[in-house]
Amino acid sequence: QSVLTQPPSASGTPGQRVTISCSGSSSNIGNDYVYWYQRLPGTAPKLLIYRNNQRPSGVPDRFSGSTSGTSASLALSGLRSEDEADYYCAAWDASLSGPVFGTGTKVTVL
Amino acid sequence: QLLLQESGPGLVKPSETLSLTCSVSGGSISRSRYYWAWIRQPPGMGLEWIGSIFYSGNTYYNPSLKSRVTISVDTSKNQFSLNLNSVTAADTAVYFCANHYYGSVPEGPWGQGTLVTVSS
Repeated sequence: QSVLTQPPSASGTPGQRVTISCSGSSSNIGNDYVYWYQRLPGTAPKLLIYRNNQRPSGVPDRFSGSTSGTSASLALSGLRSEDEADYYCAAWDASLSGPVFGTGTKVTVL
Repeated sequence: QLLLQESGPGLVKPSETLSLTCSVSGGSISRSRYYWAWIRQPPGMGLEWIGSIFYSGNTYYNPSLKSRVTISVDTSKNQFSLNLNSVTAADTAVYFCANHYYGSVPEGPWGQGTLVTVSS
């Protein structure tokens, strides 16, 4: 079962900005870094954001992450059709002593 | 670059044991500080960490699955494996393997995932 809570869906038209929230607790988001993954249909999750707001090489700066307390957000600016995917947040959980993941948000480009 | 690949039966009967193997290429399981993990995603649901193992054999598991899970490593084959016993339909999921440092989440490439269906 997923420990971090995300909205099930989000949508926007090309060029718009979409924001996805991720709610956790003091044992995970409130205590450690937040990571974001993008999962395209039929593929494995791919790291999109690490350590709250850092982008791996190759990830466009249209993607940005932020945190506040026990919550985090992923923003997609200048939405493009290829951004249609499922997005998951993740963090280390000190109580579990393991990684925890979000429920996932499906982004649709209208 | 590390490549991970899951393998194993796609169909398991209820009450039996689910067994999967993750083959690692592009690097040695035993020459890093990585933990090697299994993660799953039931249909329509989020991701769930199952457990992780260090090359020395040190393991730690998600408490919700701990009583049914065994993860092992074979450094000679550069593989690690998952056994989940007494499966039910709730264990139907796509199973992924990945690696991570202790205290962090997977940052590198994951395996492509393999769908395991529990059904008679």
